[in-house]
Amino acid sequence: DQQVKQNSPSLSVQEGRISILNCDYTNSMFDYFLWYKKYPAEGPTFLISISSIKDKNEDGRFTVFLNKSAKHLSLHIVPSQPGDSAVYFCAARGKETSGSRLTFGEGTQLTVNP
Amino acid sequence: EAQVTQNPRYLITVTGKKLTVTCSQNMNHEYMSWYRQDPGLGLRQIYYSMNVEVTDKGDVPEGYKVSRKEKRNFPLILESPSPNQTSLYFCASSRLGTGVGPPLHFGNGTRLTVT
Repeated sequence: DQQVKQNSPSLSVQEGRISILNCDYTNSMFDYFLWYKKYPAEGPTFLISISSIKDKNEDGRFTVFLNKSAKHLSLHIVPSQPGDSAVYFCAARGKETSGSRLTFGEGTQLTVNP
Repeated sequence: EAQVTQNPRYLITVTGKKLTVTCSQNMNHEYMSWYRQDPGLGLRQIYYSMNVEVTDKGDVPEGYKVSRKEKRNFPLILESPSPNQTSLYFCASSRLGTGVGPPLHFGNGTRLTVT
């Protein structure tokens, strides 16, 4: 039972344009959402997060939007750069979840073409 | 440099031959965890530990063991590996925290092949 789903395995965009990565979740107990980025031969690294009390969080070129009623979040990257090419994982956890325990999605491979 | 170190990076073994993947962190983190990454399935948690001598099952614990005798080390043990354990494994650590929580720091992964 995949509680966090990223339905697009891959996404290709042109440099300078917007990249939009989507994530859906089914567990209404999830309260915190995070995005991680992963380059080949490296471990994932934390990118940005959002709490369910917000609907938007921005950090430079990266913005995460949360729509609680639709159980949907998205990551916007503007403008996209070739160095953004990586696998992006959406992750979620609930208030009561132990420690830092996260549920991850399948990942989306983003390719930014020069 | 703050890091999570896994060894080995690559491992090829045969069915039934016991193996251990080591994980060490130098950030004095209380929380440590093992994940496996498989195509189309993302990262799935195997085991986690919230402190020394405290471990618990994640979502896919079958066929794995862990121990947390020291705060910095969290080895993953496969007593009798099988081909369905062929995967990319990641160790991660973080401080404990409330709210969105402190971010996980991941190692660079161990590519395991069981033939």
